[in-house]
Amino acid sequence: KQEVTQIPAALSVPEGENLVLNCSFTDSAIYNLQWFRQDPGKGLTSLLLIQSSQREQTSGRLNASLDKSSGRSTLYIAASQPGDSATYLCAVYGGATNKLIFGTGTLLAVQP
Amino acid sequence: KAGVTQTPRYLIKTRGQQVTLSCSPISGHRSVSWYQQTPGQGLQFLFEYFSETQRNKGNFPGRFSGRQFSNSRSEMNVSTLELGDSALYLCASSSLAGGGANVLTFGAGSRLTVL
Repeated sequence: KQEVTQIPAALSVPEGENLVLNCSFTDSAIYNLQWFRQDPGKGLTSLLLIQSSQREQTSGRLNASLDKSSGRSTLYIAASQPGDSATYLCAVYGGATNKLIFGTGTLLAVQP
Repeated sequence: KAGVTQTPRYLIKTRGQQVTLSCSPISGHRSVSWYQQTPGQGLQFLFEYFSETQRNKGNFPGRFSGRQFSNSRSEMNVSTLELGDSALYLCASSSLAGGGANVLTFGAGSRLTVL
């Protein structure tokens, strides 16, 4: 059974700092991995999608990497801003169930 | 273009009642998937519909059901509500089948409270 874990569960950093969020999964037979952000009381916004054949994806200040063999992904946020404050979720798709399995999330607070 | 629209945004029901939630996908998207989000269990997959057919289903009891119409709008129904059904219900649409295989666009969700 696929399990997705995110560390840390919560993170508070001062504005301008570079930071890394971690995601680990137990079944490496995935089709892709996605990173989302969720603002309080709102739906999810897709940030990056990495196909299983890719090693990383970049969008602006965000960079996500994928190491399928070790079951790990990281989301790197450069020069963090207060507007980056949100819950960040990773999700993997594929394997035995062909369902999108979400991680536990990291609550990020960027202090001005 | 308009995003994914979910209605109602908030609702309160009592145990034993039933509820129907609606999701209108982005125009042209034929895949709609539903998720339940609770503080204890996180985000869990409910089901996915593509071209009016259920393609996949999560591990939820039969009280949870859904359907998709010819215009791709989808509804989910929960019968005999229990306190544990209180959650944020999210739907997502994509242009291709296999909801998680592609970039998903989520709606703002329907927050259900069961008293």
